[in-house]
Amino acid sequence: GIQVEQSPPDLILQEGANSTLRCNFSDSVNNLQWFHQNPWGQLINLFYIPSGTKQNGRLSATTVATERYSLLYISSSQTTDSGVYFCAVGSDYKLSFGAGTTVTVRA
Amino acid sequence: GAVVSQHPSWVICKSGTSVKIECRSLDFQATTMFWYRQFPKQSLMLMATSNEGSKATYEQGVEKDKFLINHASLTLSTLTVTSAHPEDSSFYICSAPGRGGTEAFFGQGTRLTVV
Repeated sequence: GIQVEQSPPDLILQEGANSTLRCNFSDSVNNLQWFHQNPWGQLINLFYIPSGTKQNGRLSATTVATERYSLLYISSSQTTDSGVYFCAVGSDYKLSFGAGTTVTVRA
Repeated sequence: GAVVSQHPSWVICKSGTSVKIECRSLDFQATTMFWYRQFPKQSLMLMATSNEGSKATYEQGVEKDKFLINHASLTLSTLTVTSAHPEDSSFYICSAPGRGGTEAFFGQGTRLTVV
């Protein structure tokens, strides 16, 4: 199956800082999504981005499909950004998840 | 985005009993839904693909007789954990493709504790 590697595994930020999360994957895919898992376990859709660049407020993402990686940018981080960020890739809606990046934003 | 609803959000059951978890797509029809499992501090692992009107397809290592999946309508898939044991305690979460077919949306998940 497709291998998905996320880095770093843990990230501690001071409020207001910027950060970059990376996702590498081992094969061509037609679906790549970024999620934020809240403390209750729900997966919040951040981006559907099999290629290209998107922005939504303080978050943006870029996927370079030919080089099999994606980046998630968090700017001006807030304490509410804390949680686990997952990258998931696959064919259509059948997804393989990375191990996640645990982000802690300190006030 | 699409809305996928799971019920119950959490359940505690005794060892040896069976538990049914429902996954509904509220505003669209889903011929295919997916079931994932997440152990504490770990990532999500795909368990099976639920197909409306036909048998589910299971990932390698997932016992189909233990995790029964039924997809009887275009808006409902159910996962039944049969003869549950403490090692089945986990977070179970379903997904379905949204309207327009561009991305997957997830239910809120079900936390199962077997005592």
